[in-house]
Amino acid sequence: NAGVTQTPKFQVLKTGQSMTLQCAQDMNHEYMSWYRQDPGMGLRLIHYSVGAGITDQGEVPNGYNVSRSTTEDFPLRLLSAAPSQTSVYFCASSTQYPPSTEAFFGQGTRLTVV
Amino acid sequence: AQSVTQLDSQVPVFEEAPVELRCNYSSSVSVYLFWYVQYPNQGLQLLLKYLSGSTLVKGINGFEAEFNKSQTSFHLRKPSVHISDTAEYFCAVSDQSGGSYIPTFGRGTSLIVHP
Repeated sequence: NAGVTQTPKFQVLKTGQSMTLQCAQDMNHEYMSWYRQDPGMGLRLIHYSVGAGITDQGEVPNGYNVSRSTTEDFPLRLLSAAPSQTSVYFCASSTQYPPSTEAFFGQGTRLTVV
Repeated sequence: AQSVTQLDSQVPVFEEAPVELRCNYSSSVSVYLFWYVQYPNQGLQLLLKYLSGSTLVKGINGFEAEFNKSQTSFHLRKPSVHISDTAEYFCAVSDQSGGSYIPTFGRGTSLIVHP
């Protein structure tokens, strides 16, 4: 099973460039989310979606855009990259229906903005 | 909104000693609780979860956690750690009381096992 697939694994951007981080899941989960992980800060929620066509902001949404046109895909767009967006990004999917209510994570994207 | 507090940012321990990683969360009527582990340069994987029922939950790699509703805590324990347990551990909570069900994470505890 593929689970949650993130691409790319590594990316270097110049300040002001834009890019899209891809995330796909094959578990038919209704919930998908993007987190960023920074040292000492844990995982902070950027945006999330509770189903196709529905998205909402998390704790740190500024500078990022998302859309959810299908159940499977949830891309994260950086509109104009800034050095403060240097981080490791994780995509996750989950369902509200027990017993498998835990979040399943991708392997992460390590982004450096120079 | 839910919040999760991991009381220790770093826990050093010697191999074969017991360990407890502490986690407290903000109160809600109904929550699901999770512990995840992250090995260096890897994603997060589930250690264990509490949904309902018995307050003592057993997970993988010999870890267990106890849900204490009155103290809003979900501490993780292992009676004897190995070098291979060195990793970052995250506590998480998702609100089942009509919220978004998206988990909120603590800041993580770095477990460092010394030989």
